Amino acid sequence: NAGVTQTPKFRVLKTGQSMTLLCAQDMNHEYMYWYRQDPGMGLRLIHYSVGEGTTAKGEVPDGYNVSRLKKQNFLLGLESAAPSQTSVYFCASSTESGTTGYTFGSGTRLTVV
Amino acid sequence: AQSVTQLGSHVSVSEGALVLLRCNYSSSVPPYLFWYVQYPNQGLQLLLKYTSAATLVKGINGFEAEFKKSETSFHLTKPSAHMSDAAEYFCAVSDPGGFKTIFGAGTRLFVKA
Repeated sequence: NAGVTQTPKFRVLKTGQSMTLLCAQDMNHEYMYWYRQDPGMGLRLIHYSVGEGTTAKGEVPDGYNVSRLKKQNFLLGLESAAPSQTSVYFCASSTESGTTGYTFGSGTRLTVV
Repeated sequence: AQSVTQLGSHVSVSEGALVLLRCNYSSSVPPYLFWYVQYPNQGLQLLLKYTSAATLVKGINGFEAEFKKSETSFHLTKPSAHMSDAAEYFCAVSDPGGFKTIFGAGTRLFVKA
């Protein structure tokens, strides 16, 4: 099925470890986003990309890095995980017009102990 | 700056009753407005959208929403709730052509038998 695929679905990290979350979309969308979802706080934008080779900071970028080397992939990295980064992470993509809304992946549940 | 407020973090209705989930927005330009639904352990799915066409928009699963500029509201309704409607619902706003969407904190809908 066409859409947004996130890997892995679950992960447990120890404080200080690093990891990369992968997001892949097959809809030829120009824009891609990384959000985190925490109880009672809705979705908060971490980083986003408006095209291959571009990235920009969102609302809560500290402690995260991203790369968009290929149009279909958007990677989110945690260099030194902290317990405050325990969350559910969602990747999304959209067209340039903004009129079609976002297509979301199924999420990655990350626990940092 | 844009913002969105969802009134009520939890709403409980009986099966067959009217569903009303409230959303108010703030935007300096005519906005695009969206409702998303999130079922447990899944990503968000677009329910419906307003992008400056008809003010009453119909979405999937029998839901609809009305854009009221004078009230800066975009409330979500469904005439008759079904058990399968139990989920979390998010209202979102973006500016036309804007690629950064602001999400509300979400309203969890409970449906009682």
